[in-house]
Amino acid sequence: DVKVTQSSRYLVKRTGEKVFLECVQDMDHENMFWYRQDPGLGLRLIYFSYDVKMKEKGDIPEGYSVSREKKERFSLILESASTNQTSMYLCASGTGRYEQYFGPGTRLTVT
Amino acid sequence: AQSVSQHNHHVILSEAASLELGCNYSYGGTVNLFWYVQYPGQHLQLLLKYFSGDPLVKGIKGFEAEFIKSKFSFNLRKPSVQWSDTAEYFCAVNDGNRDDKIIFGKGTRLHILP
Repeated sequence: DVKVTQSSRYLVKRTGEKVFLECVQDMDHENMFWYRQDPGLGLRLIYFSYDVKMKEKGDIPEGYSVSREKKERFSLILESASTNQTSMYLCASGTGRYEQYFGPGTRLTVT
Repeated sequence: AQSVSQHNHHVILSEAASLELGCNYSYGGTVNLFWYVQYPGQHLQLLLKYFSGDPLVKGIKGFEAEFIKSKFSFNLRKPSVQWSDTAEYFCAVNDGNRDDKIIFGKGTRLHILP
């Protein structure tokens, strides 16, 4: 059974804190993705990675960075969290051509 | 740039009613098309996909979708919905020349009344 796991289901952080969201996949996929999901806006791509140490900006990369040191792990970093980054964050792995497999999501609240 | 438009943001139906959710995309080249579903409290998962061949594709749980190239559409259908179909549905498109990212629509919340 394929699995994408995310380090936290719920997270509460203060404005200005540095936040790390971790994602691990066990399917040996080369591509991994970070999205944010907001009501009425659907899923928006923040960053994706197509190989270890390789990354590409998505549609809304501002305020975020990513790290991929190992194939199975893809981290999303909020350098200085702000209230407008309160959202549901979804990690996925897979391909655009066939299927992406999603994790359970991390609901981040920035106060 | 590619975009995906879902016509309905929120749909309410009674059990046994027929369902059609609209999806249009803007991209003139080869595309791969998807419908994903997110049941309450669950992961986003693939419902069905179109790559090539028969434009009528069948997915899980009795869903189907029809690719109409001339209309840039990929509408989702189900002849008789059940209460368990209550979920959020996302249409998505991939540029057929790229093996990585896909673009999602804004989603349609479907609520089935028992």
